[in-house]
Amino acid sequence: NAGVTQTPKFQVLKTGQSMTLQCAQDMNHNSMYWYRQDPGMGLRLIYYSASEGTTDKGEVPNGYNVSRLNKREFSLRLESAAPSQTSVYFCASMLLAEETQYFGPGTRLLVL
Amino acid sequence: GQSLEQPSEVTAVEGAIVQINCTYQTSGFYGLSWYQQHDGGAPTFLSYNALDGLEETGRFSSFLSRSDSYGYLLLQELQMKDSASYFCAVRDKAGTALIFGKGTTLSVSS
Repeated sequence: NAGVTQTPKFQVLKTGQSMTLQCAQDMNHNSMYWYRQDPGMGLRLIYYSASEGTTDKGEVPNGYNVSRLNKREFSLRLESAAPSQTSVYFCASMLLAEETQYFGPGTRLLVL
Repeated sequence: GQSLEQPSEVTAVEGAIVQINCTYQTSGFYGLSWYQQHDGGAPTFLSYNALDGLEETGRFSSFLSRSDSYGYLLLQELQMKDSASYFCAVRDKAGTALIFGKGTTLSVSS
């Protein structure tokens, strides 16, 4: 039981490059989330998927797209990376009835 | 929309008791959650309060007052390993996502 896994762990991009952050969970949770964390800003919700087949914008969705590939997997895509997207990205999953969100280890992204 | 306010930093010494406060504004309230995050790590769940009162889990307790839109996390018998960031969180308007406060950094010294 691996919980929530994320790949890659680290990534350096040049401005304008694209990339996809991968996330998978093996807890059979319906809901999955993408957050970014910047110093002093806490965890800000980018996008989420309350159930397979649905996605919704969070607090800071601009510059990102997501895909809920199946119940296990939820990916985050940066189409044209900008230095302002330098951050630590966390994926999380949750069974709403349990009120507990489980986080992956994070992806540290640097955009030059 | 949802907003949460918590102090940015708290310092304490080993063995002491510290309280981290959280006030919130929401358009629909389900409950208040607390998460802990060590430097370089991922957030982990600590506690959840849906009803008014105190919930105790070992050295940690969490309190909620729905009428005051206020809660706190109480950490007793502080240890060096409690040095971390602590986040309060509430559900969003749709009730399907968590919105987090900016976090409180707790530094425990010997």
